Amino acid sequence: AQSVTQPDIHITVSEGASLELRCNYSYGATPYLFWYVQSPGQGLQLLLKYFSGDTLVQGIKGFEAEFKRSQSSFNLRKPSVHWSDAAEYFCAVGARGNTPLVFGKGTRLSVIA
Amino acid sequence: GAVVSQHPSRVICKSGTSVKIECRSLDFQATTMFWYRQFPKKSLMLMATSNEGSKATYEQGVEKDKFLINHASLTLSTLTVTSAHPEDSSFYICSARDLSSGSTDTQYFGPGTRLTVL
Repeated sequence: AQSVTQPDIHITVSEGASLELRCNYSYGATPYLFWYVQSPGQGLQLLLKYFSGDTLVQGIKGFEAEFKRSQSSFNLRKPSVHWSDAAEYFCAVGARGNTPLVFGKGTRLSVIA
Repeated sequence: GAVVSQHPSRVICKSGTSVKIECRSLDFQATTMFWYRQFPKKSLMLMATSNEGSKATYEQGVEKDKFLINHASLTLSTLTVTSAHPEDSSFYICSARDLSSGSTDTQYFGPGTRLTVL
């Protein structure tokens, strides 16, 4: 069965510190992987995606993620967190074409001064 | 990039009434759109797949007679919550994938509709 696991429900980091959000997936075919961010009461904004090629992908707002097939992981990283990064982050997996995405349960990021 | 809109963004209704939510792809055609539901502090759960010109495909446990989906054109899908009850209160999000030539095959999400049933 297709599934996405985000082990951390809530993470708190200091502003300026580095960040890594974990994501593990289970998918029968070649996965297409995504990270979305959601601010309270808002929709989802795509941060980055991996389809193929270079396993280190760069996204918006200074985020990057690395696809590791051997570990079935797609962890999201940012070298220096800003207070405006506080939000809910969702990892998702899907296939190419008209197929829906399967989402993890999300990780809530809090940023403290 | 491609944009998906939803209307209304927020709706409050009385129990027993019906509410229609629109999802539009603004600059691309979408033969398929997806409807998700998000409970407070929870992840997105796929409710149904909306197919242009044909019947929607519902996920297990989703009542198709309660959540009516119509995909009348390549840019518009509607979700109607019929005879709404307080337990239908939730955040509903639609998405569509731009599969046109030159696109990046990315799924774009609408901003969501907050439904509150009193």
